[in-house]
Amino acid sequence: GEDVEQSLFLSVREGDSSVINCTYTDSSSTYLYWYKQEPGAGLQLLTYIFSNMDMKQDQRLTVLLNKKDKHLSLRIADTQTGDSAIYFCPSGGYNKLIFGAGTRLAVHP
Amino acid sequence: DAGVTQSPTHLIKTRGQQVTLRCSPISGHKSVSWYQQVLGQGPQFIFQYYEKEERGRGNFPDRFSARQFPNYSSELNVNALLLGDSALYLCASSSPGGDNNEQFFGPGTRLTVL
Repeated sequence: GEDVEQSLFLSVREGDSSVINCTYTDSSSTYLYWYKQEPGAGLQLLTYIFSNMDMKQDQRLTVLLNKKDKHLSLRIADTQTGDSAIYFCPSGGYNKLIFGAGTRLAVHP
Repeated sequence: DAGVTQSPTHLIKTRGQQVTLRCSPISGHKSVSWYQQVLGQGPQFIFQYYEKEERGRGNFPDRFSARQFPNYSSELNVNALLLGDSALYLCASSSPGGDNNEQFFGPGTRLTVL
């Protein structure tokens, strides 16, 4: 069945780079997304990558996609305290997204 | 432009009661999806409606139902509430064929069942 796996927790120092990894089983997605959820809030789309691309850069964010291994990663350069949140990499499309448990990113001074 | 709006923001109910949650999509969006997010977990897909018809349903019991109105707003109804229904209920709207098929999420309704 469809599944998304992420490591649950990541702690980084302010100013360092963060790398959040994700593996998924559904290979039919046209787009792959990274959503951010701050405490008590809804989900905000951070960035996305088209499934036939292998890299996308968007300011401090770099998305890498290895379609063969079904592995997606998000790199955040110069991580700031405002980046502390839960990050999700759902598979699926406009009609249905499949979420994993999310990765909680903690940024410390 | 207003984003996705949901009401109420918080709700407390007791076991056995019924609840109705409301969602207004972004103007022009005809697709609305509902998700349940239990504390500490990722959102789980409940329903998707497009053009007032159910187009997808997740693995939820029949106590959960929804509908979409001619103005594309939507209601999620949960009957015979259980303690395990306590969660953040998220609504998302999208425009199929849009730039990246993005789903835009509302702030959610936090339901507590006592």
